[in-house]
Amino acid sequence: DAGVIQSPRHEVTEMGQEVTLRCKPISGHNSLFWYRQTMMRGLELLIYFNNNVPIDDSGMPEDRFSAKMPNASFSTLKIQPSEPRDSAVYFCASSTDRGQETQYFGPGTRLLVL
Amino acid sequence: TQLLEQSPQFLSIQEGENLTVYCNSSSVFSSLQWYRQEPGEGPVLLVTVVTGGEVKKLKRLTFQFGDARKDSSLHITAAQPGDTGLYLCAEGMDSSYKLIFGSGTRLLVRP
Repeated sequence: DAGVIQSPRHEVTEMGQEVTLRCKPISGHNSLFWYRQTMMRGLELLIYFNNNVPIDDSGMPEDRFSAKMPNASFSTLKIQPSEPRDSAVYFCASSTDRGQETQYFGPGTRLLVL
Repeated sequence: TQLLEQSPQFLSIQEGENLTVYCNSSSVFSSLQWYRQEPGEGPVLLVTVVTGGEVKKLKRLTFQFGDARKDSSLHITAAQPGDTGLYLCAEGMDSSYKLIFGSGTRLLVRP
């Protein structure tokens, strides 16, 4: 079975540009998570969806960040405009039920904003 | 705010050595998960512990949950280069989807 798929794997952009990260969760999983990982702050939860509905977006840094899940097999995380401090590795994870089950992480998108 | 501290932050050892890494909280865990993250990949779940005093073994890895459920340890016997990676503990919140991750221990096992 395919795991969580993320694209792109690497993204280099200039400050002010729009960045869109994509995620395809594991089929049948109804919970989806977006995380950000940096050396300084570790792995932080940005937003959690359950059955395509955003349940908790308290981790989203600011209005420049937005996430959508139009259907059970696709989610996007958008940063507009991007800033150098957004440079990080962004992970998508999915799980069954409400997340206390195993979370399966994608390979991540490494974002560098110049 | 609950703090989840891991120690040591970095560990570099020779193949064949034993090691222990620790995860401590300021509060009682409801459950604790250990993940390993290899370079360029996402974290992968190794084990979940929920009962105070619980010990779980996964080949050369031994996981222990403290009796008071405020700490946990991961012991690796006869480390191998394939054990290299970032080891993360994560606390599960009661009746919640949220996992709070520790800062991790970066392990390098030299051949």
